[in-house]
Formats: sequence, structure tokens, C-alpha cells
Amino acid sequence: GEDVEQSLFLSVREGDSSVINCTYTDSSSTYLYWYKQEPGAGLQLLTYIFSNMDMKQDQRLTVLLNKKDKHLSLRIADTQTGDSAIYFCAEKRGSDYKLSFGAGTTVTVRA
Amino acid sequence: NAGVMQNPRHLVRRRGQEARLRCSPMKGHSHVYWYRQLPEEGLKFMVYLQKENIIDESGMPKERFSAEFPKEGPSILRIQQVVRGDSAAYFCASSQTRTSGNNEQFFGPGTRLTVL
Repeated sequence: GEDVEQSLFLSVREGDSSVINCTYTDSSSTYLYWYKQEPGAGLQLLTYIFSNMDMKQDQRLTVLLNKKDKHLSLRIADTQTGDSAIYFCAEKRGSDYKLSFGAGTTVTVRA
Repeated sequence: NAGVMQNPRHLVRRRGQEARLRCSPMKGHSHVYWYRQLPEEGLKFMVYLQKENIIDESGMPKERFSAEFPKEGPSILRIQQVVRGDSAAYFCASSQTRTSGNNEQFFGPGTRLTVL
């Protein structure tokens, strides 16, 4: 199975907050990332958090990290139609360079 | 300031043919990574290259797949004698240095390979 797990789908009303959840299994993960993929496009890095942090906020994005439970979440405030995309959680372990990705959460924003 | 470029964006091959995927890293980047995304799965690491060197190919299938990053020109991922299971999106990423810290990997738009 996947080392990084995410729920596959999320539907949210425009203007509401979206919360996307991710769990990972490797306690040596140092950096955790959220990428956004729009249809037919590559992956765009949205934000990341270092493993010694609990929270990081960047404009409409808030990342929460619970190291004890190996749980990562991304909250998007005031969700807009342009936020419709697939969101990938990824981890980097120790000093490694490889990124390990979850299967992605498809976020659909409805009017 | 062009980002990572990949071509072709879509590639259709019949079983047994060869597929050749190209990746031009961002300007100033000498580290290239290839990932494969199977339908409804996350990206899986395949290979990491620097100019003229394969650093880590632990994610590459043992047969039919090869990668290179020559001194001049793009990085090439080659798949010989393609089978239907090779149908996937292949993403290339590049970085300025080896991403042992948080040196970001920038991703290209991907090549979507369909094997008939």
C-alpha cells in the first residue's frame, strides 16, 4: 500500500473552507509538502512544513502537522472555483532527495 | 524564464514500439528526477540524474527502461517494447542542487503515454 495516504475526493461549496488530510508512516520524514495539480498541468508546490513545526500559515493556506499521529492537513480558507484541482501530499525522508507522494485528493468547488 | 519543459505532452504507442520522453530542466538546474504516475495513484520516483551520471535508478523497472542526461541536450527517458501497463503520466522535475535540504524540485507538465 501507499506510505502516504489521502482521501480521494472532497467537495466543497465556494466560500467555505476546505480541509484535506494526509497520513504518513515514516517518522524520519523531515519535510512535508502540498502540491496542486490542475488538469493537464504539472505539479505546483503550494507550501511545505518542516517536521519541527506544528503549523504554518501562508495567506489562505494553513498547514497543520501532528507528528505523534503522523497526520498532516491543508486548510484552504474561502475556497474559490480556481482551487478545484488535485492536491498531493508528499514527504521527504531524512536527507533523501526522493519525494514520496500520496494518491492525491480531488477537490471540487461547487457554486 | 521557462520552467521545466517536457515533450511530447501526449504520446501514443502500440505494444512493442519504443517510447522516448524528453525533459529540459529549468535554466541553471543540473539535477533531474523522473517520476511515474499510474492512474489514480501518486507519483512514484523512478530515477535521479545529474549531467552524464545516473545517481539513483532504484525506482526504474529492471528491463526495458533507461534514462540519460547528456552533457548537451535534454534528459531522455526511454521505454523499449512498451506494454499496456506502461500507460501512465511521466513527470520530470529539476533542482538547482541535490535536494538534501528543502531545495525545491520544480515539476514539468508531464508526458501522458498511452499504449494501445
